Amino acid sequence: GDSVTQMEGPVTLSEEAFLTINCTYTATGYPSLFWYVQYPGEGLQLLLKATKADDKGSNKGFEATYRKETTSFHLEKGSVQVSDSAVYFCALRNSNYQLIWGAGTKLIIKP
Amino acid sequence: GAGVSQSPSNKVTEKGKDVELRCDPISGHTALYWYRQSLGQGLEFLIYFQGNSAPDKSGLPSDRFSAERTGGSVSTLTIQRTQQEDSAVYLCASSLVGGGSGANVLTFGAGSRLTVL
Repeated sequence: GDSVTQMEGPVTLSEEAFLTINCTYTATGYPSLFWYVQYPGEGLQLLLKATKADDKGSNKGFEATYRKETTSFHLEKGSVQVSDSAVYFCALRNSNYQLIWGAGTKLIIKP
Repeated sequence: GAGVSQSPSNKVTEKGKDVELRCDPISGHTALYWYRQSLGQGLEFLIYFQGNSAPDKSGLPSDRFSAERTGGSVSTLTIQRTQQEDSAVYLCASSLVGGGSGANVLTFGAGSRLTVL
């Protein structure tokens, strides 16, 4: 069945470091891809999305490009801040409108 | 409403008791999801409602769990004879379905934290 695999956390970085959180997927057809973020003590919220191959989603300095050839949707940010500390979830929506979630990656940014 | 509202935000109960968790989705959102998130874990899908279609109950972990959605709006998740392993945060989310830039983007509630003693 369809699945999403993302890198295990926690990922610990210093402020202003470059961030990559890997996400790969398995799905038939052309899923839509999402990154959601859960800040401490808050609910999940959409960070960015891409609905077709080669689309780039971006928000708050984060970017992710839908790569069909490598079935990936890696999350990147050029310079992280302490306020980016959160849990990040990669997800896909398949042609059956099912949402498949990765296990989440905890990001810790140290000042 | 402006967002997805869940109640109660916190519930502490004794093992064996029944609990009801409520979700009030965004007005006009036809899709409604329940998820469970245990401490430090990812999202576990429980159930999905879409319009008047039969719900997708494939994620319910046992027959102690049930959910209904009345009038295509408010949903109630019921856990009967609670067990300690039911302790988790129960998240509700809603979305539009179909085309358009906002479709299929989930808006989550703040969750209901359930603790079974």
